[in-house]
Amino acid sequence: EIVMTQSPATLSVSPGERATLSCRASQSVSTNLAWYQQRPGQAPRLLISATSTRATGIPARFSGSGSGTEFTLTISSLQSEDFAVYYCQQYNVWPPITFGQGTRLDIK
Amino acid sequence: QVQLVESGGGVVQPGRPLRLSCAASGFTFSSYGMHWVRQAPGKGLEWVAVISYDGSNTYYTDSVKGRFTISRDNSKNTLYLHMNSLRAEDTAVYYCAGGVWYFDYWGQGTLVTVSS
Repeated sequence: EIVMTQSPATLSVSPGERATLSCRASQSVSTNLAWYQQRPGQAPRLLISATSTRATGIPARFSGSGSGTEFTLTISSLQSEDFAVYYCQQYNVWPPITFGQGTRLDIK
Repeated sequence: QVQLVESGGGVVQPGRPLRLSCAASGFTFSSYGMHWVRQAPGKGLEWVAVISYDGSNTYYTDSVKGRFTISRDNSKNTLYLHMNSLRAEDTAVYYCAGGVWYFDYWGQGTLVTVSS
C-alpha cells in the first residue's frame, strides 16, 4: 500500500497571500495524483488530476506540480472560500486507492 | 447537472447488515467506474470499494473484504453497497463517487452509525 503524507497538518495564511501544500508518497506514483478540497459540512470536490490538470470550473489560482514522490498544491492568492481541508490521492498503484491525511487551511 | 444521491444510512447495531444506495443522474452512469469512499467523524477520507463500469470487476480495501459488497444496476443508474457484520469502526459518512482512478463526482454522503 502506498502511504500518502501531507504537510503541514494545519496551515494559517492571510487572505490574498499564497499557500503551498505538500504531499509525499511512500513510493513513486509517477504523476498519478489528484487533489481535493473539502469545505466544512460538504463533500469533497476534485480540484486537480494528473498532478497539474485543473478540473472543470476550478480557478486558475489553483495549481499543482511534482512527480514521483513529491507533490505541491499552490493557491496563488487566497480567497475566503479557499479556507478548507485539502487532500491528495494517488491512483498509480491500487487497490487500495489512498489519500493523504489532509491539510487544514485556516485564516490567519 | 451531475447528481449523486446516497440513501440508506442510519443507526445499526454491531453485527447487523445495512444497504446503501446511490442514485445517479446527469452523466452516462454506465460508462463510469463507481466508488464508495468513507469518512469517520472528524477524520480523513478512506477509499472503500470500486466497481467497473459494467460491474465485471470489483475491489475492496482490506478492512471490508468479505463483509461489504459493491454492486450496480445500470438500468436504474444506481450504485449499491451491501454491508454485513458491521463494526463500530465502520461508523462514517459514506460517499459514492464517480470516476475511473480519481473522483470527478461526489454525492453528499449518508451517515452510518454502528452502535448498540
